[in-house]
Amino acid sequence: TQLLEQSPQFLSIQEGENLTVYCNSSSVFSSLQWYRQEPGEGPVLLVTVVTGGEVKKLKRLTFQFGDARKDSSLHITAAQPGDTGLYLCAGRGYQKVTFGTGTKLQVIP
Amino acid sequence: DSGVTQTPKHLITATGQRVTLRCSPRSGDLSVYWYQQSLDQGLQFLIQYYNGEERAKGNILERFSAQQFPDLHSELNLSSLELGDSALYFCASSQLAGTGVSHTDTQYFGPGTRLTVL
Repeated sequence: TQLLEQSPQFLSIQEGENLTVYCNSSSVFSSLQWYRQEPGEGPVLLVTVVTGGEVKKLKRLTFQFGDARKDSSLHITAAQPGDTGLYLCAGRGYQKVTFGTGTKLQVIP
Repeated sequence: DSGVTQTPKHLITATGQRVTLRCSPRSGDLSVYWYQQSLDQGLQFLIQYYNGEERAKGNILERFSAQQFPDLHSELNLSSLELGDSALYFCASSQLAGTGVSHTDTQYFGPGTRLTVL
């Protein structure tokens, strides 16, 4: 069974701080996606990384796929209250999608 | 608004009962995915349909079944409900035209159906 562990599980920070969320597995994935989910809504795709070592930037968010395609990280610079939500990584393989355990982020104004 | 609609938004029922959740994909999307999200299990992939045919299966219990109709809407049937089936059930859709679960396709999630089994 493929498992994706995210850390930390919960994160409460002040506006303007930086943070990093990690997504780790012992399995190799063909690609990895990051989603953000707000209360009462479904997850929304933020980014897809495909190549080992790939780095993608989305404004203040930086995503990295590990060289071995087993892990990924999400770094947020100067967090804002609008970044509050549940962040989910999702590893994709043949006919299977595995979601991570989730990181609940709260950014306090 | 993702363009994916799910009904009902909330559902409260008793153990042993059967319920049907409905999903309408985004216009033009051929694939529909069902997920279960609970506090202790996170988001679990249940099943995928593409253009009416089952395409991929995840952690779906035998008490659960799904289908996709010619108009591409999908239904998830949950029977012999147990307390542990209480969860949020999400439907997602994508344009996916290939086989299996493409690693680059974008899934658009609906707002979910919150199921409470008492």
